[in-house]
Amino acid sequence: NAGVTQTPKFRILKIGQSMTLQCTQDMNHNYMYWYRQDPGMGLKLIYYSVGAGITDKGEVPNGYNVSRSTTEDFPLRLELAAPSQTSVYFCASMTSGNYEQYFGPGTRLTVT
Amino acid sequence: AQSVTQPDIHITVSEGASLELRCNYSYGATPYLFWYVQSPGQGLQLLLKYFSGDTLVQGIKGFEAEFKRSQSSFNLRKPSVHWSDAAEYFCAVGLTGNQFYFGTGTSLTVIP
Repeated sequence: NAGVTQTPKFRILKIGQSMTLQCTQDMNHNYMYWYRQDPGMGLKLIYYSVGAGITDKGEVPNGYNVSRSTTEDFPLRLELAAPSQTSVYFCASMTSGNYEQYFGPGTRLTVT
Repeated sequence: AQSVTQPDIHITVSEGASLELRCNYSYGATPYLFWYVQSPGQGLQLLLKYFSGDTLVQGIKGFEAEFKRSQSSFNLRKPSVHWSDAAEYFCAVGLTGNQFYFGTGTSLTVIP
């Protein structure tokens, strides 16, 4: 099993550009999450999904969109990138009832 | 307000010394409790979790944590620290709906 994979590892965006952060898991987990990690701030939940076709907002959803068309994939879309979205983004997955999240290696995004 | 507090931003210990990392939470009911470790440039890895029952839980890598309801605390301990334990440690709580909230983290430095 590859676990949770994220692409790209690094990306630099200009203000106003858009991009999609990819997340794939091969563990057949029904729950998937997107977090952002800012220095000294811990992880903040952006969006999560409890299964294909179902998504919901977390603490900091503004400026982001998600979709979940398959169990495996949970892409995060940034529209009109802003400097405030400079962060490290982590995707995680989990089986319902287990409560153990498996994290991907992260995507470091810089918006200038 | 609901929160997860890790009061120590940074801790330095000598190799072989004991370690205790503090975590307090502020939620109405007893949430599910977790400790994660993050090595530089990596995603988070679960060390241990508490749902109910015995208030002293054992985890991987020789770590343990004790839940104290009266103090709303879930402190992480290790009797003898190894140089490889140097990392960032995050306390997290899980609420109904499978949402998770993380503390701001404690950075551990281990000196020889």
